[in-house]
Amino acid sequence: DMKVTQMPRYLIKRMGENVLLECGQDMSHETMYWYRQDPGLGLQLIYISYDVDSNSEGDIPKGYRVSRKKREHFSLILDSAKTNQTSVYFCASRGQNNNQAPLFGEGTRLSVL
Amino acid sequence: GDSVTQTEGPVTVSESESLIINCTYSATSIAYPNLFWYVRYPGEGLQLLLKVITAGQKGSSRGFEATYNKETTSFHLQKASVQESDSAVYYCALGDSYAQGLTFGLGTRVSVFP
Repeated sequence: DMKVTQMPRYLIKRMGENVLLECGQDMSHETMYWYRQDPGLGLQLIYISYDVDSNSEGDIPKGYRVSRKKREHFSLILDSAKTNQTSVYFCASRGQNNNQAPLFGEGTRLSVL
Repeated sequence: GDSVTQTEGPVTVSESESLIINCTYSATSIAYPNLFWYVRYPGEGLQLLLKVITAGQKGSSRGFEATYNKETTSFHLQKASVQESDSAVYYCALGDSYAQGLTFGLGTRVSVFP
């Protein structure tokens, strides 16, 4: 069953704490993404990963970094989280077939207090 | 850059009425964009509703339809008769055929009342 799994689903952190959001996929997709979604702003691309250790900044990378050590896992890291990073974060993966659409996870709702 | 503009919500419709959500796009960096509609039901993640990768073609799913119109740069989503279970947020998006990320519209919240 093709699925993108995000953990945790909900997270509350204090400003200045480190945050780790995890994403996994079981389809051996090369490409993975991290987006954030905010009211009135739609989904904004944070980072793209084209494969293991092959990552590229998206539109809003500031304040984030990523790690991809295995093709199946893609992590989003917030070092010293800020209150304006409160958001819903979506991970997605996409196969090499040109007809495939990105498959999204269920999202992680992060609150930074 | 690329951009997507869609009907501003919220949109409220009664069950069995028709629904149309407008979507227009500007693809400056992609010669042949792929077009998508995603949906997010309450409490769930983002799901692909339909996609069309060739201009002039129509995609359909769950009673929804959208036609890729290159001349008007539009990809409107339509359903002839909505149900309460169609209440969700709908996102229009465009992307290339490769690995680049999608560009999303702001989303349209649709509420269907019995």
